[in-house]
Parts: sequence; C-alpha cells; structure tokens
Amino acid sequence: QKEVEQNSGPLSVPEGAIASLNCTYSDRGSQSFFWYRQYSGKSPELIMSIYSNGDKEDGRFTAQLNKASQYVSLLIRDSQPSDSATYLCAVKTSNSGYALNFGKGTSLLVTP
Amino acid sequence: DAGITQSPRHKVTETGTPVTLRCHQTENHRYMYWYRQDPGHGLRLIHYSYGVKDTDKGEVSDGYSVSRSKTEDFLLTLESATSSQTSVYFCATSTGNGYTFGSGTRLTVV
Repeated sequence: QKEVEQNSGPLSVPEGAIASLNCTYSDRGSQSFFWYRQYSGKSPELIMSIYSNGDKEDGRFTAQLNKASQYVSLLIRDSQPSDSATYLCAVKTSNSGYALNFGKGTSLLVTP
Repeated sequence: DAGITQSPRHKVTETGTPVTLRCHQTENHRYMYWYRQDPGHGLRLIHYSYGVKDTDKGEVSDGYSVSRSKTEDFLLTLESATSSQTSVYFCATSTGNGYTFGSGTRLTVV
C-alpha cells in the first residue's frame, strides 16, 4: 500500500496568519494530488488539485508540489475561524480504478 | 454534492445481519468508489467500480461486497455485520476534475 503521510495536528494559528499544511507520499510515479477540507460530521470537499511541480494559487489557497522530494503542501493565507477543519491530502493511484489514497488528515484550528 | 446521494444517512443494525448501503449519482460518471472513515485511519478504499458490472476490491474489502447493475447505482453490502464495521461510509465518483463525495452513511453495529 502506497503511503500518504500528514501530521495529525492539531495545528493552531491565529486569525489572519498563514497556515501551512504538509504532506509526503511514497509512490514516486504519482501524478495527481488533491487537497480536501472536511468539517466535523461532513463529507470531504475539494479545495485544490495540482499536477505539475511548483505553485498553484486559488484565492487564499496555494498548493505547492515538489515531485523530486515527494512533497505536497497547502498554504492558507489570512486564515479565518471558518477555516478550522481537517485537511486531507490525497494522491491519485495508478491502479485501484484511479482511486484516491488519503493521508489521515491534519486538524487546523484558527483562533480569533 | 447534489449529484451523489447516499442512503440511508444513519443506520443502527445488529451484529450478524446483512446491511446494504446505496449510492446514487446523476452525473453518468464511470468510476465510483466506496470508502470507510475511522478515527486514526482516515479514508480507506473498500471497493470500486469502473463500469456496469465491473467492480474490484480495495484496501479493506473483507466482509464487504458490491454491485453495480446500473451506471447510476453502486451498492455496498455488509454480508454479516460486525462491530468492527461501525464506521462512516462515503461514496465518491471521479468527475475528471477531481473526486466528489456523497454526504456519508453513519453505520453503527451493536
């Protein structure tokens, strides 16, 4: 089983700060990477996808990918209390029907 | 997401009984997946489908079976429920631009 690793947290940041979430993966052949946000008792919702090395920005969110280091990160700028949730890193498999392989998630708490 | 519906949303069942969870999608997506989510384990793939009557096992398939007789429906059956199958079950589809999840089924086996 290919591994996707995340720090479980909780990561606590003050409102307005930058939250940095990290993820490493073991399958060097992986090509597609996703960040999901999951509020307690809710289903995961897609924040961003990234496929190429470098940065991808969408509003307050920036995903960063470094395939050589097998590392994916998510930056949240101007963090808001509503960003408090669990963030899931997911890697698309090359088998298993292209299912996503998930990390265990990082819990983020943004304090007012 | 309005395109994926899971039923039931909540279920309590007794050990040893069969249970079927339903996932219904309206987007005509080819790939569908069943995951379970447990504290400390994250989301784990149970079974997946790549078309009508085309299914295969995922990471944690023991004790589960699936069927897909129509594109829109993907059923997950617990053949004889055990307490270790108490979990939240999510269905997902591959949309070509990401993966979308249903609202989940919270299953408790007592």
